[in-house]
Parts: sequence; structure tokens; C-alpha cells
Amino acid sequence: NAGVTQTPKFQVLKTGQSMTLQCAQDMNHNSMYWYRQDPGMGLRLIYYSASEGTTDKGEVPNGYNVSRLNKREFSLRLESAAPSQTSVYFCASSETHLNQPQHFGDGTRLSIL
Amino acid sequence: GENVEQHPSTLSVQEGDSAVIKCTYSDSASNYFPWYKQELGKRPQLIIDIRSNVGEKKDQRIAVTLNKTAKHFSLHITETQPEDSAVYFCAAIGAGSYQLTFGKGTKLSVIP
Repeated sequence: NAGVTQTPKFQVLKTGQSMTLQCAQDMNHNSMYWYRQDPGMGLRLIYYSASEGTTDKGEVPNGYNVSRLNKREFSLRLESAAPSQTSVYFCASSETHLNQPQHFGDGTRLSIL
Repeated sequence: GENVEQHPSTLSVQEGDSAVIKCTYSDSASNYFPWYKQELGKRPQLIIDIRSNVGEKKDQRIAVTLNKTAKHFSLHITETQPEDSAVYFCAAIGAGSYQLTFGKGTKLSVIP
């Protein structure tokens, strides 16, 4: 039982490049989330998907798009990467979106040069 | 929206002593309060959570207390061990909201 799996673990991009961060969960959870973690800022929600077929903006959505491909998979896309998007990105999932524990993946460390 | 303040930002304790981390929240309708532990370079891991209908919850050396009137909740770690050294995050979610709001974290160092 792998839980929440994120790929890649590390990535270096040049400004203006695009890329997609992948996330998959095998816990049959309905809700999935994307966070970014910056030093001294805690975890901030980028986008979430309360259930398959729905996505909504979180606290810091600008510069990102998401796709809930199916119940298992939730991807995060950077269309035109900027240095301000250098961060550690975490995907998480929970059974539902209401007052349930969120389980995190190992993260993707992304550097934009 | 919800605002969560966490104190202190750093905490050093001697092995065997207790550690207390406090959080306040702004939305009086918030009803779910998890705590996460994050070791260096690792994922945040849920260590304990509490819902608004409960005032205290305990799991071995870890306990969380909730004061809804004052809108604050605290993490208590007793008999600290070096492996308790990590960054701890509190979080809160408001009623009707899908968004878990995190505090900025407390770096706990347990000195052998």
C-alpha cells in the first residue's frame, strides 16, 4: 500500500518552461489537494478536488492549473514557470473533504532558474 | 477566511522534559484541528487530531487540548525524546470550508 505517490521527486526548470507534477493515491480517497511549502510560510493550498470531476482554487492558485484525471490521479501544471514558483510541492488526499485527515506524498522539490 | 497563529516558532527542551506548542484560530465555526510532524526532507505526517465536540485527546505521550471559547488549541508532548525533534504544524478547518489552514510551524529540538 503506497499511499500517495508523487513524481518527479526533484526537477530543475528554466523560467518560461512548462511541466506537470503527477500525483496518485491508492486509498480510494475522494478528495485530493496540492500544497506548496516555502521556508517560514507553512503549507499553503494551491488547488483542491473535493471529488472526482471537480476542482477549486485554494489560497495561492495563480500560475497553476490542475486536472483530476480520475479518482486516483490529480496533476498540477505550471504553464510558464517563474522563479517565484521555486518551492516544495506536496500532494495530499483524504477520504472526503470534510474534517478528515489528509495524507501527504513525499513531495516534489522544484527549482526554477 | 481562517487565520491560524502558532507559537513559538522554535522550542528547545531537554530530553525527558515536556514541550507545549500553542495555536490560535480566528473562525469560531472551525471544527477540525489536526497536528502534523515533519522531519527534515520528509512529508508532513498526522500525529493527532481533535474535533470541536471534544476538549482533550491523548495518544501515549502526545495530547491535544481545545478551548473553543478562547479559540485556541495546544499540543503537549511529555517525556520528550531526541526522535521528537522535528517541525510541528497545527491546522484548522472552518465549518463549510474545504480548506485546511496551517500555522507556520514550530521547530522542536530535543537535547540529549
